[in-house]
Amino acid sequence: DGGITQSPKYLFRKEGQNVTLSCEQNLNHDAMYWYRQDPGQGLRLIYYSQIVNDFQKGDIAEGYSVSREKKESFPLTVTSAQKNPTAFYLCASSRDRQNSPLHFGNGTRLTVT
Amino acid sequence: DQQVKQNSPSLSVQEGRISILNCDYTNSMFDYFLWYKKYPAEGPTFLISISSIKDKNEDGRFTVFLNKSAKHLSLHIVPSQPGDSAVYFCAAMAGTASKLTFGTGTRLQVTL
Repeated sequence: DGGITQSPKYLFRKEGQNVTLSCEQNLNHDAMYWYRQDPGQGLRLIYYSQIVNDFQKGDIAEGYSVSREKKESFPLTVTSAQKNPTAFYLCASSRDRQNSPLHFGNGTRLTVT
Repeated sequence: DQQVKQNSPSLSVQEGRISILNCDYTNSMFDYFLWYKKYPAEGPTFLISISSIKDKNEDGRFTVFLNKSAKHLSLHIVPSQPGDSAVYFCAAMAGTASKLTFGTGTRLQVTL
């Protein structure tokens, strides 16, 4: 089955630690994205990548970093500089052509205490 | 600056009746619009989309209407079923930018 896999489902970290969220897709999609969902705020774009070895900041990139070394993988690192890291993180991919919907993974709930 | 707005945070509809979810946008560059359905602790699932060259798109029980002059779109679900109970997000895209801008969502509850 083709799809997007995010792991782990739940992640707990202490404040001050960096943490990396995994996202893998086997849909052969060129573009990948990271969104964050907070209550009452919908989904906000953190970073996106339209091609391997290239990525762009989204609307709320501060305190996050990404890499795109392989087409299938787009890991997100939440650094200690992110002021409010506790959230539900969603990875998505698309064919990166006009009018192509994004397909989402099932998310990672990160809790930082 | 919320470019995509869903002004109704929640909606309750009886089973079998029509559900109408509304969405407004401010960016005139948006030319592709999508609706996603989301259950708690899961990723959003793509439902239906519409290009700005159309004013209606239908897929089974789901129909999306686009009014470009009013910068407004709506999702109609008829007949509504209990399994439709979820949060619905409106999203928009501009040209070949490929990234989506989402609204804040509307929680639909379909009651028996």
